[in-house]
Amino acid sequence: KAGVTQTPRYLIKTRGQQVTLSCSPISGHRSVSWYQQTPGQGLQFLFEYFSETQRNKGNFPGRFSGRQFSNSRSEMNVSTLELGDSALYLCASSLEQLFHTTNEKLFFGSGTQLSVL
Amino acid sequence: AQSVSQHNHHVILSEAASLELGCNYSYGGTVNLFWYVQYPGQHLQLLLKYFSGDPLVKGIKGFEAEFIKSKFSFNLRKPSVQWSDTAEYFCAVNGGYQKVTFGIGTKLQVIP
Repeated sequence: KAGVTQTPRYLIKTRGQQVTLSCSPISGHRSVSWYQQTPGQGLQFLFEYFSETQRNKGNFPGRFSGRQFSNSRSEMNVSTLELGDSALYLCASSLEQLFHTTNEKLFFGSGTQLSVL
Repeated sequence: AQSVSQHNHHVILSEAASLELGCNYSYGGTVNLFWYVQYPGQHLQLLLKYFSGDPLVKGIKGFEAEFIKSKFSFNLRKPSVQWSDTAEYFCAVNGGYQKVTFGIGTKLQVIP
């Protein structure tokens, strides 16, 4: 079974631009959640999509948005980029919606390293 | 609201030394607890998890963690570390229907 695939692997943007990151979950997984990882802040939850609907949201500004398609693939968009948005963005897939089963496991992708100049 | 604290941000050990990484959480209800590991250049992978039952859980590569409910702790341990254990370790908590919360991470460096 293929793992979670994130594209692109690396991205360089300038302030004010927008960016779209893509995540393909493991086949059959319906939940995709997004995380921001920075050295100073650790791993922070952005949001989760399940069956094309946002189910949970972390404490990030509205510049961070996402969507999920009928095939469970998800995209995350960041508009009006700021220097502080430079980070590794990880997505994870799970069979069911987060927190609904005790057998839940998160499978992480390798991430997209975003650098904002 | 739930939160996770990892007290040691950077740990340096010699090979064969014993390891204990602290993790404390705050949440009043039932929790699921996880430890994830990220080896250099690789992505996050689940090390071990606690849902219920025996509070001492064993994971991969000789790691174990003990859930102490009265202390709201889920410390990660390994009796004898190896150079290949050099990585960043994240504790995570998922309480009920709230979002999962990760700790800031602990970088472990094992010196041969």
